Amino acid sequence: SAVISQKPSRDICQRGTSLTIQCQVDSQVTMMFWYRQQPGQSLTLIATANQGSEATYESGFVIDKFPISRPNLTFSTLTVSNMSPEDSSIYLCSVDLGPGASEAFFGQGTRLTVV
Amino acid sequence: AQKVTQAQTEISVVEKEDVTLDCVYETRDTTYYLFWYKQPPSGELVFLIRRNSFDEQNEISGRYSWNFQKSTSSFNFTITASQVVDSAVYFCALRNSWGKLQFGAGTQVVVTP
Repeated sequence: SAVISQKPSRDICQRGTSLTIQCQVDSQVTMMFWYRQQPGQSLTLIATANQGSEATYESGFVIDKFPISRPNLTFSTLTVSNMSPEDSSIYLCSVDLGPGASEAFFGQGTRLTVV
Repeated sequence: AQKVTQAQTEISVVEKEDVTLDCVYETRDTTYYLFWYKQPPSGELVFLIRRNSFDEQNEISGRYSWNFQKSTSSFNFTITASQVVDSAVYFCALRNSWGKLQFGAGTQVVVTP
């Protein structure tokens, strides 16, 4: 199993500013993912955070807007840059321990409101 | 491309009634994994069940049961004797070989006393 600590749990930010969300895992994992959940919507994958290389972004998401760092196998950050009210969402960090794992593990989420 | 469809937007039941949530998926992978997650109003995702594509045995776990039918690409989930605490959004998700999850739109379950 994996325990994920995600910070901050919530924040209210001014438009035009940036917020960095941290994700700490209690064990080394290869696969880390960042998801976004807009209000009343489902979860959408933003990117795969790769250790030692650039993140792999899904269609509709770009590095300039959502830069991701993955300095080691237990930690990752997601930055939401130049925020607008449309960025108000829950952002979730997730890890996958491979096909043999019973589940994909999620952090508690960061509830972001942009005003 | 993978796709997960949860056609039911909201289901309202009275306590003790059974609730069945539908999930239909599309994938070209021969090996894949299906999940059900619960998201209560507090926002965290709670893992409920997982099923591998190569195991079609249906099981019951407490008040939860699931019906996985590969022939119809369906992975339905049932809550027996619902309780108010079951009120939440339920997501069906499909894991591909790279570990990425494709989520359905979610079904809001409302259980009233």
